[in-house]
Amino acid sequence: QKEVEQNSGPLSVPEGAIASLNCTYSDRGSQSFFWYRQYSGKSPELIMFIYSNGDKEDGRFTAQLNKASQYVSLLIRDSQPSDSATYLCAVDRGSTLGRLYFGRGTQLTVWP
Amino acid sequence: DAGVTQSPTHLIKTRGQQVTLRCSPKSGHDTVSWYQQALGQGPQFIFQYYEEEERQRGNFPDRFSGHQFPNYSSELNVNALLLGDSALYLCASSRETGGEKLFFGSGTQLSVL
Repeated sequence: QKEVEQNSGPLSVPEGAIASLNCTYSDRGSQSFFWYRQYSGKSPELIMFIYSNGDKEDGRFTAQLNKASQYVSLLIRDSQPSDSATYLCAVDRGSTLGRLYFGRGTQLTVWP
Repeated sequence: DAGVTQSPTHLIKTRGQQVTLRCSPKSGHDTVSWYQQALGQGPQFIFQYYEEEERQRGNFPDRFSGHQFPNYSSELNVNALLLGDSALYLCASSRETGGEKLFFGSGTQLSVL
């Protein structure tokens, strides 16, 4: 079983729709959870992080964490073509910041 | 304030050669981690340096080695290159004493022919 698994893509949504990205993790002791956005040929860019169960909202982005189910999700409201990218879920298992376990990413395309 | 800088941007090597990649962390950061990202995959942790020592290491062979200098900059060395080493190599910096963000550099794209 992989440390971090993301829902298979690619995901395609129309402009203005809600994009839902999902991630599960295997280590129940994991403490911190991150969503990165990566444009083709570029480095990952942190867009959200969450530590506690529940929802965390930042603009059009909402991260949801359910530790009992070992599940993390990212919702993107009012999706824009500029949101088209690969979204990486990453987990910190509680070791020193810097060692993250990444999923393989979900490619999102938002069409006009 | 400069972010994390990596050099070179692109590199082409042949099998069996050796390569050195360089990274300067974000100002105020003292911890440097290296990740390998193969095409279509998520980044995989190689190792982490703090106080000029390797503190953590992922599942990579000894062909991968590194160094951290007193100014916190770091190098990643790969010996005896294999075709499978072709990937984007990412350097990330953070602060040991806190901080909840890992800042990535723009990466070095290594192609092994």
